Amino acid sequence: GQNIDQPTEMTATEGAIVQINCTYQTSGFNGLFWYQQHAGEAPTFLSYNVLDGLEEKGRFSSFLSRSKGYSYLLLKELQMKDSASYLCAVRALNTGTASKLTFGTGTRLQVTL
Amino acid sequence: DSGVTQTPKHLITATGQRVTLRCSPRSGDLSVYWYQQSLDQGLQFLIQYYNGEERAKGNILERFSAQQFPDLHSELNLSSLELGDSALYFCASSPLAGGGNEQFFGPGTRLTVL
Repeated sequence: GQNIDQPTEMTATEGAIVQINCTYQTSGFNGLFWYQQHAGEAPTFLSYNVLDGLEEKGRFSSFLSRSKGYSYLLLKELQMKDSASYLCAVRALNTGTASKLTFGTGTRLQVTL
Repeated sequence: DSGVTQTPKHLITATGQRVTLRCSPRSGDLSVYWYQQSLDQGLQFLIQYYNGEERAKGNILERFSAQQFPDLHSELNLSSLELGDSALYFCASSPLAGGGNEQFFGPGTRLTVL
């Protein structure tokens, strides 16, 4: 099975940098995803890591350490519109055309002035 | 707009009833995924279809069933509804099924069971 942990809530100031951590335990690993979800809306894709290291995409970066079962999402130059839930999800190691994402419960980020 | 459409947007029904949720994937996507999101449980994977065939199953109740049709749209059927089935139901699609494929989520169907 899979177990994913991330903080429930975080608060940060506009213009600052925030790091959202995610730890996971899985019997098979085939990638880690970060999604952003505003309340009542659909999750939208932010990043994907399958190898160790940092992936940078504009103001957002994501890091993965497979040996430690650890990832983080880094948000720079925070804006008010970044207030949302951030979901960490792990893909199980499946064969063929099967694919199953297990999501953490999400980290609700509040950006303040 | 992800290109994934879901209908209806909202559904209110009573316990014991049966409902059908519909999803049309993005043009060209062969894989469809169904998720349930309730307040206390987060986003839970239910089932995946790839080109008409079931490919992966999560914690989907026996009262729930799904299928993917030849035109690749999918339907999720929920029967003998209980109060605890009230949730947001999301459909997602991706071009293929495995590997590092981003899943594109539809706007969701909010189901309320009274």
